[in-house]
Amino acid sequence: GDSVTQMEGPVTLSEEAFLTINCTYTATGYPSLFWYVQYPGEGLQLLLKATKADDKGSNKGFEATYRKETTSFHLEKGSVQVSDSAVYFCALRGSNFGNEKLTFGTGTRLTIIP
Amino acid sequence: GAVVSQHPSWVICKSGTSVKIECRSLDFQATTMFWYRQFPKQSLMLMATSNEGSKATYEQGVEKDKFLINHASLTLSTLTVTSAHPEDSSFYICSARGPGTGYNEQFFGPGTRLTVL
Repeated sequence: GDSVTQMEGPVTLSEEAFLTINCTYTATGYPSLFWYVQYPGEGLQLLLKATKADDKGSNKGFEATYRKETTSFHLEKGSVQVSDSAVYFCALRGSNFGNEKLTFGTGTRLTIIP
Repeated sequence: GAVVSQHPSWVICKSGTSVKIECRSLDFQATTMFWYRQFPKQSLMLMATSNEGSKATYEQGVEKDKFLINHASLTLSTLTVTSAHPEDSSFYICSARGPGTGYNEQFFGPGTRLTVL
């Protein structure tokens, strides 16, 4: 079945550091890929997405490129801020018609220190 | 827009009692709602999918008589954990989508932490 593997946390960085959170997936066909962010006390929010190979999703300075050859969707940000502290989830949705099911990674807790 | 709320945010109950968790879409009509369960340091696991006015579709391994889901209106779904036991302690999260959200995106509630003593 479908699965998502993302780097274990927690990750602690200084403000303005470069961020990479690795995510790889296993799925048949051409899934859609997502990054969700969960701030303390809030629900998961969609951060960015990509629906086909080589697509780049971007939002709030975060980027991730859908790499089919390496089955990866790594999250990057060039200069993190304290406000980026949150838990980040990589997820995929299968390519089968009518398949709404999201498969999540375990989440990576990110803490940015001033 | 597209806000989903859950109530309560946390609940503690005695073993053997039933607990109801509400999931509401505040500013859109949720034709489909999803219920997830999250164990510490593990990913969200989909428990069931419910369409308004229909019976929920449960994922393999989820006991439908244990986790009762009702989606009787376009803004409310409830999850009732019946005869709860300590192993049911977990973080329960709902999400919702509907015509106003573009169908492809799910909007998540903040979650409900259930502790069964």
